[in-house]
This record gives sequence, C-alpha cells and structure tokens, in this order.
Amino acid sequence: AQSVTQPDIHITVSEGASLELRCNYSYGATPYLFWYVQSPGQGLQLLLKYFSGDTLVQGIKGFEAEFKRSQSSFNLRKPSVHWSDAAEYFCAVGVAGNQFYFGTGTSLTVIP
Amino acid sequence: DVKVTQSSRYLVKRTGEKVFLECVQDMDHENMFWYRQDPGLGLRLIYFSYDVKMKEKGDIPEGYSVSREKKERFSLILESASTNQTSMYLCASSPAGTSYNSPLHFGNGTRLTVT
Repeated sequence: AQSVTQPDIHITVSEGASLELRCNYSYGATPYLFWYVQSPGQGLQLLLKYFSGDTLVQGIKGFEAEFKRSQSSFNLRKPSVHWSDAAEYFCAVGVAGNQFYFGTGTSLTVIP
Repeated sequence: DVKVTQSSRYLVKRTGEKVFLECVQDMDHENMFWYRQDPGLGLRLIYFSYDVKMKEKGDIPEGYSVSREKKERFSLILESASTNQTSMYLCASSPAGTSYNSPLHFGNGTRLTVT
C-alpha cells in the first residue's frame, strides 16, 4: 500500500539558515512526488513535482527537492530561509487514477 | 490562475444538523476532491469525482456524502453532523490526465465546528 512519511512534526530554523524537510514514501511503482506548502489560513499551494529525469527538481520560492530511489526519499531543501517561509509543508505521492496520498505535514517556524 | 472557492471559511453547527459545504472551481476541471485535515493526521480523502454525477469513495467516506450536479460545483454533505466531524475541510480540483500533469489546486478551506 502507498504511504508517505514525514518524520519531523515541527522544525525551527533561524532566518537565513538552510532548511531540509524529510519525506519518505512507499509505493510499488515509480511515484509521482509533490511538495505543497500551506500558509496559515490558506489552502495548499504546489511547490514542486517530480516524476522522472533529473533527480534534483527546482520549485517556486527558491525551493528544491532531491529524489533518491535507493532511500525512497524526496527531501525538500532551501539554502536560506526567509521569515515568510513559516508554514506547514506536505509531501504527497500521486498514484494511478489521479489520486494523491499526503504525509502528515511538517510545521516550520522561522526565528529572527 | 485556477480559482477554487469554498463558500464558507468558518461554520459552526449543532450535532445532528445537516451540513452542506460548497466548492466551486472556475477552470473547467474534470476532477474534484474533498479532503479533511486534522493535526497529526495530514490530509485524508473523503470523496472525489471524475465527472458530473460521478463520485468515488475515498479513505474516510463514513458520515459524508457528495453531490456533483454541475462540472464546476462539488458539494460535501454531512447528513447528521457529529462532534467528531469538527475539522478543516479542503476542496481541490485538477484537470483530467495523470496526477503528474494534473496536480491539485486547493481552496482556502472551511473550518467546521460541531457543538
């Protein structure tokens, strides 16, 4: 069965520091992988997606993610975090039939 | 830009009431979804629809039903609201195609409290 695990419930980083949010997935076939961000009081916005090709994908707002098949991981990174990046981040896998499975989310706090 | 509009940001209802959550999208998307978001549980799929008058159960359909009479509108119905249905409800839409080429577009959510 497909599943998505985000092991970090909450992360705090200083503004300007680098960020890495972890995501592990379980899926029998080659997955479609996504990262979404949810700002307070808002719906989810797509940051980036991956299916095949270059394992390092670039997204909006300066985010990138790296797919590692051997580790079943799709970690999200940003070199320098801004205060406006404080939000909740969701990793998701897209499966056949146009369905999506989401992780439980990682809440990011940015301190000045 | 795709716009997915949920008619209410906040709702407070009493136990046993029939509750309607409305969602409208303006991009002629074939697919529409209702998710429930709870702390520590992430997003869980309640129902989805691939076309008008079509519906499919998601992972947690119990206590809910849906209606899709028009392509742009997807309604979630709580037949008899209960306190354990207090949650944030998110509507999403996507065009037809593979999930890679058809990522989800979300509304801003409806926070429902059942007392």
